[in-house]
Amino acid sequence: QVQLVQSGAEVKKPGASVKVSCKASGYTFTGYYMHWVRQAPGQGLEWMGWINPNNGGTNYAQKFQGRVTMTRDTSISTAYMELSRLRSDDTAMFYCARGGAATALVMDVWGQGTTVTVSS
Amino acid sequence: DIQMTQSPSSLSASVGDRVTITCRASQGIGNYLAWYQQGPGKVPKLLIYATFTLQSGVPSRFSGSGSGTDFTLTISSLQPEDVATYYCQRYDSALALTFGGGTKVEIK
Repeated sequence: QVQLVQSGAEVKKPGASVKVSCKASGYTFTGYYMHWVRQAPGQGLEWMGWINPNNGGTNYAQKFQGRVTMTRDTSISTAYMELSRLRSDDTAMFYCARGGAATALVMDVWGQGTTVTVSS
Repeated sequence: DIQMTQSPSSLSASVGDRVTITCRASQGIGNYLAWYQQGPGKVPKLLIYATFTLQSGVPSRFSGSGSGTDFTLTISSLQPEDVATYYCQRYDSALALTFGGGTKVEIK
């Protein structure tokens, strides 16, 4: 079945970077966009950007431009999201989500989430 | 940037009630509107896209309507498993996808 499996929880110090992975299975990885979404504790969903695994093209939300980098490794069907210059308010759950079959801009399959805690 | 405003922010209803959640865009977005459900401690789940198209496997008690700036998610008969926070999402532009603030639905 279609599945996205994310890497485990991370604890980082302010100013550091974190890189979260998202391994896809059950479908053709290069055929669907991959989105990343942030959710701070008790807060709503915040879209961070997408990557087109077919060609590596990316688009980042303005809020994260300059701090986020999305990449992929097609040989292992894995997408990555790296967030740099971490601050305490980056403490959140980060989700990868596949762009849908009907439209790439709607997220039809989600990973289980990766908790990132930023604390000194 | 187009803002998405949901109302109410929370609601409490009885099992079997008809529940309506509204999502308003600050500018017209055509019918490029999706709805997601996030149960307590769960991962978000796609319910509806293109304003009214039900995602495969979603119960028919869920429906969507609207166009332009005003959209609605309706649960025709609220069930206990529908307790969740619901989010709308605009996708009229590939450059800026935006979620609404969420509506928390509880059972009275």
